Amino acid sequence: DQQVKQNSPSLSVQEGRISILNCDYTNSMFDYFLWYKKYPAEGPTFLISISSIKDKNEDGRFTVFLNKSAKHLSLHIVPSQPGDSAVYFCEKGGKLIFGQGTELSVKP
Amino acid sequence: DTAVSQTPKYLVTQMGNDKSIKCEQNLGHDTMYWYKQDSKKFLKIMFSYNNKELIINETVPNRFSPKSPDKAHLNLHINSLELGDSAVYFCASSQGELGNTIYFGEGSWLTVV
Repeated sequence: DQQVKQNSPSLSVQEGRISILNCDYTNSMFDYFLWYKKYPAEGPTFLISISSIKDKNEDGRFTVFLNKSAKHLSLHIVPSQPGDSAVYFCEKGGKLIFGQGTELSVKP
Repeated sequence: DTAVSQTPKYLVTQMGNDKSIKCEQNLGHDTMYWYKQDSKKFLKIMFSYNNKELIINETVPNRFSPKSPDKAHLNLHINSLELGDSAVYFCASSQGELGNTIYFGEGSWLTVV
């Protein structure tokens, strides 16, 4: 039972454009979600989180949106930079459940 | 200083062998984890220890035995290795109750031949 799903395994975006990474969840009993970023041959690192009492959280170029009725969250990166190329995981906070990741490639 | 360090980073071994992966964190956290990233890239929790006590034990074969000698260490011992054990194993830690930010090690690439 995969409670957190990232249905796009990969995404390719031009430098300077917006990257949108998506995550769907099935169980509503949660407190918040976290996004992690992972470079090759490294462990995931925390990027940004959102609490269920909010529908948006912003940190610099990164914004996460939470749509509770649709059980959907998305990570927006604007403007995208080549250094953003990595695998992005969403995690259901408190449940230690990760999505399968989306590999973002930002082309110069 | 590496916050969560695990060794070895790469390990190639034959089926049937017993191997260990060590993990140490210098963040002062009281909770440590082992995750497995399989060939399909899913990142799945295997074990979680809080203050040296096992609090999460997902459906993992008995051949996998975590050991936590103190709060800063959580080692993973695997007996009778099988081909399907080939994966990347990540150690991680966090502070306080489940749900706080998790800090990961760089991963240990295990290949069973």
